[in-house]
Amino acid sequence: NAGVTQTPKFQVLKTGQSMTLQCAQDMNHNSMYWYRQDPGMGLRLIYYSASEGTTDKGEVPNGYNVSRLNKREFSLRLESAAPSQTSVYFCASRRTSGDPQYFGPGTRLTVL
Amino acid sequence: QQQVKQSPQSLIVQKGGISIINCAYENTAFDYFPWYQQFPGKGPALLIAIRPDVSEKKEGRFTISFNKSAKQFSLHIMDSQPGDSATYFCAASMVGSKLTFGTGTRLQVTL
Repeated sequence: NAGVTQTPKFQVLKTGQSMTLQCAQDMNHNSMYWYRQDPGMGLRLIYYSASEGTTDKGEVPNGYNVSRLNKREFSLRLESAAPSQTSVYFCASRRTSGDPQYFGPGTRLTVL
Repeated sequence: QQQVKQSPQSLIVQKGGISIINCAYENTAFDYFPWYQQFPGKGPALLIAIRPDVSEKKEGRFTISFNKSAKQFSLHIMDSQPGDSATYFCAASMVGSKLTFGTGTRLQVTL
């Protein structure tokens, strides 16, 4: 089992460019999450998908969109990147509420 | 509104000492309290978790103490080792809801 995988590991964008961060899990989990991690801010939830076919906004959704492609895959899209979106992005999944949440290795994104 | 407050922001402990990280929450409906450990360049990983029906849970050198009336819970690392140097996050959630994380504590264990 690979667990939660994320691509790419690193990315540098120019302001205004777009990109999609990919996430996949092979644990048959129902819920998937996208977080951003910034120094001193902890982990802030961007969007989540409680189950296949549903998505909801988290704490900091502005500037992002998501797609729950199927049960395994949950992508995060930046339509027009801004320097404020420079961060480390983590995808996570869990089977159901109250179960452990498993994180991917992260994507380090820099927007110039 | 920060629903889970974590302290301290950073902590330096000598090898063999006890590391203590504290969290306080506001929502009395929270019923699941995990701690995550994160090493540099890695994603957070579940370390230990507790539910409010017990006041303490121990796994090896790691113990969660839970005080429901005070709405506080803490992580104790006994006999701290240099390999424990990492960032620790507390979190909380209620049934059917997503996790809310604290802001993290960077622990450094010195020789």
